[in-house]
Amino acid sequence: GENVEQHPSTLSVQEGDSAVIKCTYSDSASNYFPWYKQELGKRPQLIIDIRSNVGEKKDQRIAVTLNKTAKHFSLHITETQPEDSAVYFCAASIGTGTASKLTFGTGTRLQVTL
Amino acid sequence: GAVVSQHPSWVICKSGTSVKIECRSLDFQATTMFWYRQFPKQSLMLMATSNEGSKATYEQGVEKDKFLINHASLTLSTLTVTSAHPEDSSFYICSVPTDNTEAFFGQGTRLTVV
Repeated sequence: GENVEQHPSTLSVQEGDSAVIKCTYSDSASNYFPWYKQELGKRPQLIIDIRSNVGEKKDQRIAVTLNKTAKHFSLHITETQPEDSAVYFCAASIGTGTASKLTFGTGTRLQVTL
Repeated sequence: GAVVSQHPSWVICKSGTSVKIECRSLDFQATTMFWYRQFPKQSLMLMATSNEGSKATYEQGVEKDKFLINHASLTLSTLTVTSAHPEDSSFYICSVPTDNTEAFFGQGTRLTVV
């Protein structure tokens, strides 16, 4: 089955700096790559996603890049703010629509310091 | 998107008793729902795929007789933890995948077995 690795496990940046989280996946058939933000005790919230027919996607301060050849994708957060502090999970899925099953990375705890 | 409601948000039960967790898709007809378990500071691990009108599909290592799943309608899936023990204490969370592959999560249920 699919295996998703995520690095780093913890990341501390100063407010205003950029943060980058990287993930690799094993199954070349994976075609959907979402990123979730999870605050303590809360549900994961989708912050951005990318599909395999796209190499990059940006939404304000958040961007995701995908390299299908290397089977890795990255989350980039610019101008970080204290409210960005949370655990971030990448995921990969095979299939489409309601048949798709997500495999999650191990998570990155991001701490944005003042 | 889909609005997913999970209940209860937290529960404490005695060892040996059973606990039922409900996952409701409020505005999307969910033929499939997923159940995850998340231990503290760890990732979301898929337990099973809940299929409307048929048997659930369990991931390797998940005991189907211990974690009973019922998906009798397009809006409700239930997970029953039978004969719960302290090691079953965890954060259980459901998700509903939608037609465009994006998944929406319930609020999660924190189960504590004493």
